[in-house]
Amino acid sequence: GEDVEQSLFLSVREGDSSVINCTYTDSSSTYLYWYKQEPGAGLQLLTYIFSNMDMKQDQRLTVLLNKKDKHLSLRIADTQTGDSAIYFCAEIYNQGGKLIFGQGTELSVKP
Amino acid sequence: GAGVSQSPSNKVTEKGKDVELRCDPISGHTALYWYRQSLGQGLEFLIYFQGNSAPDKSGLPSDRFSAERTGGSVSTLTIQRTQQEDSAVYLCASSLAIFQGSNSPLHFGNGTRLTVT
Repeated sequence: GEDVEQSLFLSVREGDSSVINCTYTDSSSTYLYWYKQEPGAGLQLLTYIFSNMDMKQDQRLTVLLNKKDKHLSLRIADTQTGDSAIYFCAEIYNQGGKLIFGQGTELSVKP
Repeated sequence: GAGVSQSPSNKVTEKGKDVELRCDPISGHTALYWYRQSLGQGLEFLIYFQGNSAPDKSGLPSDRFSAERTGGSVSTLTIQRTQQEDSAVYLCASSLAIFQGSNSPLHFGNGTRLTVT
């Protein structure tokens, strides 16, 4: 089946690191993604990782992929108040055409 | 336009009425997707189009929901005899081709917030 799970809330202090976790089900997913949604807006692609990689770094963002456990994480270094948003992980289900999203993790950054 | 445009941005309707939600994808994008976002439910896949055809309609919740796409461009999602549980934000996204990876990411519109009273 298709299922992507995330915890619903995360609260951190400004300047700390945030780690958002995700588990997925389709072991054949070629790409896994992180999207960000700010209030009242659509989703924006933040970053992605190809399934043959373990880690990808993109400025303050680090994506870790554990294929054995089907676990994906997004680390945001030096979290800022502007990072407050909902973060969705997503996988391509069944080799294309359908992107399955998790429930989203609401990140709250306190000054 | 520069991005995916959805209209209306907000729609309030009475239970039992029909509604039409419109999506204008980015020019040249052949793939178009509809998702529904309910509070605490994440994004629920509804349907996607490649050109004017819909290879996967598996996410449409019931036969009250239908969607079409004409001219490989604009798409309309129609909900007949709306129910209160249809209240949600309906998001449309487009991509250059069927979404296979980073070379054709999804671009989302800001959504239509539907409230059924």
